[in-house]
Amino acid sequence: ETGVTQTPRHLVMGMTNKKSLKCEQHLGHNAMYWYKQSAKKPLELMFVYSLEERVENNSVPSRFSPECPNSSHLFLHLHTLQPEDSALYLCASSQDPTSGNTIYFGEGSWLTVV
Amino acid sequence: SQKIEQNSEALNIQEGKTATLTCNYTNYSPAYLQWYRQDPGRGPVFLLLIRENEKEKRKERLKVTFDTTLKQSLFHITASQPADSATYLCALGDPLSGGYQKVTFGTGTKLQVIP
Repeated sequence: ETGVTQTPRHLVMGMTNKKSLKCEQHLGHNAMYWYKQSAKKPLELMFVYSLEERVENNSVPSRFSPECPNSSHLFLHLHTLQPEDSALYLCASSQDPTSGNTIYFGEGSWLTVV
Repeated sequence: SQKIEQNSEALNIQEGKTATLTCNYTNYSPAYLQWYRQDPGRGPVFLLLIRENEKEKRKERLKVTFDTTLKQSLFHITASQPADSATYLCALGDPLSGGYQKVTFGTGTKLQVIP
């Protein structure tokens, strides 16, 4: 139990569907992240929220839309995805860097786009 | 552009031996370097952090070295056990991060410890 909970753990969706991934952290951290992990590729940072404000958006297609309603919750809204978007999506959280540098990851949401 | 290489996509080692994993980087001056463990189908778990002004860090059977001249980190697991079998990720931390952890990950090395 890492203190970061992701739901659902597995999701299969069609290319015309709309779905959302949810993440909740119970660690009192001020920053939350979405990463994408594909086979044989390094973890790709998608979005970062610090104090509920989006601070980084790494050229992610608009079919992925993040939402951070408060410091404990993070969503990734998915719309008209492509098969190549199938991957493990990892949510993470961390403290301010002056307090420590560890990133705490959730267990991930396996997404399959058919 | 920045590049992180974890040579050996996979490493097999006999139980009881020391496993040594390598992380090399180019075009980068990280403030710190981290190692994470990732089991199949699960999120990465933090193991160790070493800062740019540190040469070596230890934690139980784990040892990390950091050579900023060679731009290389070595990660050692002594007296390896089958339970150490996992993928190990190297991650470099940016010195300027603006309130969050700006970290770049390598592709990982899959370690298999054979009984």
